[in-house]
Amino acid sequence: GQQLNQNPQSMFIQEGEDVSMNCTSSSIFNTWLWYKQDPGEGPVLLIALYKAGELTSNGRLTAQFGITRKDSFLNISASIPSDVGIYFCAGQEGGGADGLTFGKGTHLIIQP
Amino acid sequence: EAEVAQSPRYKITEKSQAVAFWCDPISGHATLYWYRQILGQGPELLVQFQDESVVDDSQLPKDRFSAERLKGVDSTLKIQPAELGDSAMYLCASSKGRFGYTFGSGTRLTVV
Repeated sequence: GQQLNQNPQSMFIQEGEDVSMNCTSSSIFNTWLWYKQDPGEGPVLLIALYKAGELTSNGRLTAQFGITRKDSFLNISASIPSDVGIYFCAGQEGGGADGLTFGKGTHLIIQP
Repeated sequence: EAEVAQSPRYKITEKSQAVAFWCDPISGHATLYWYRQILGQGPELLVQFQDESVVDDSQLPKDRFSAERLKGVDSTLKIQPAELGDSAMYLCASSKGRFGYTFGSGTRLTVV
C-alpha cells in the first residue's frame, strides 16, 4: 500500500536539542496527524491538523499543515529523555472518516 | 480519558491455526478501523466500518481474513488459516467522523 515519505528515518540527538521531521506526499491530504508510538504500544495522537497553513502547538511540540496540502512538519523543542520513541505522520485524503496513510516513522534517540 | 480496548495483547499461534482479535471502540465513535503494522513500518489499513457496514476492505486478504461488527459497536478480526507472514501488530482505531482518531494498544501476533 501507499506510504508517505517521512524524513529522517532516525535521529540521534543530545538532550535539550530541538528536533525537526517532515512528511511529504504526492497526493493532497485534507487532514494531517502526528503520532508517537512506544515499543509494544499503539500510536498516541500528538497533534491533528485540519486546514492548509495551520500551525498548532501541544506543549513543546509544534506541527504545521503545508500550504500545498502535500506536506507537514513536526518540531520538538528542548528534547527530554521521554521524547524517545517512533514518530509517525499520517494523512487523510478525504473530508470524512477515511482511513489513514502513514509514513514509515522517525526513530528519535536521545544520547545522554 | 476514553480508550479503544483490544484483546488479547499478545497471541502466539501455530501456522494453519485460526486466530481472532477483539476491539471495543470509544463510545459514540461510529467509525472503526483495523490496521496491520509490520515491524519497522507504519500501520496499513485492512478494513473500515461505518456502524455495522464495511466501507473499505480493499486491502483485506479476503481468502484468509474476515472482519465483522455485527451490532455496530465492538468488532472481531479473524485469520484462518494463519501464515508465518501474518506475524505483526494488529491495531484497532475509532473516530467520530474525521475527529478523535484514537488507536488501541494493539495485539501482537506471532505465528510459529
